[in-house]
Amino acid sequence: GENVEQHPSTLSVQEGDSAVIKCTYSDSASNYFPWYKQELGKRPQLIIDIRSNVGEKKDQRIAVTLNKTAKHFSLHITETQPEDSAVYFCAAPSNFGNEKLTFGTGTRLTIIP
Amino acid sequence: NAGVTQTPKFQVLKTGQSMTLQCAQDMNHNSMYWYRQDPGMGLRLIYYSASEGTTDKGEVPNGYNVSRLNKREFSLRLESAAPSQTSVYFCASTLTGRAFFGQGTRLTVV
Repeated sequence: GENVEQHPSTLSVQEGDSAVIKCTYSDSASNYFPWYKQELGKRPQLIIDIRSNVGEKKDQRIAVTLNKTAKHFSLHITETQPEDSAVYFCAAPSNFGNEKLTFGTGTRLTIIP
Repeated sequence: NAGVTQTPKFQVLKTGQSMTLQCAQDMNHNSMYWYRQDPGMGLRLIYYSASEGTTDKGEVPNGYNVSRLNKREFSLRLESAAPSQTSVYFCASTLTGRAFFGQGTRLTVV
């Protein structure tokens, strides 16, 4: 099955600076890589995703990059704001037909005003 | 269009009691999941269902059973609750990999 590793587990950045969270995966057949944001006491919500036919996708201040050769993908948040403080999870499906998702262990991002 | 609806939102059980967490989605998704999330931890897969009539164990299935009643509903049952099952439970469904989560059930077993 899929094994997803996520680093770092905690990250503190000054407001306005950039934050980068990285994930590696084991199943070379995986072709879809989402990122979820979970605010305190809330459900995880999809913020951005990328499919394996592209190397980068951007949506305003957030971007995801994918390196299929190295089997890793990263979340980039630029010009961070206090509302970016949350736990972020990466995920990868182990079998696209089943869509069984394996989540990373999460990164607690704290934005320091 | 309500998305994924979970009930109840909160529950307190005594050790040994049983209960069923209900989940329903109205997005016509094939795949549904139950995860648990312990404080400060990630999402651990309990069971998932790739389609109506099929279920498979995830990472932490012991102490739980599931039923995929139809395409919309996927329930999670605790037959004899234990304090180690105190957690927040999330139901989810997916379409082409994109997961949509219910609001969560905060379960405390005393």
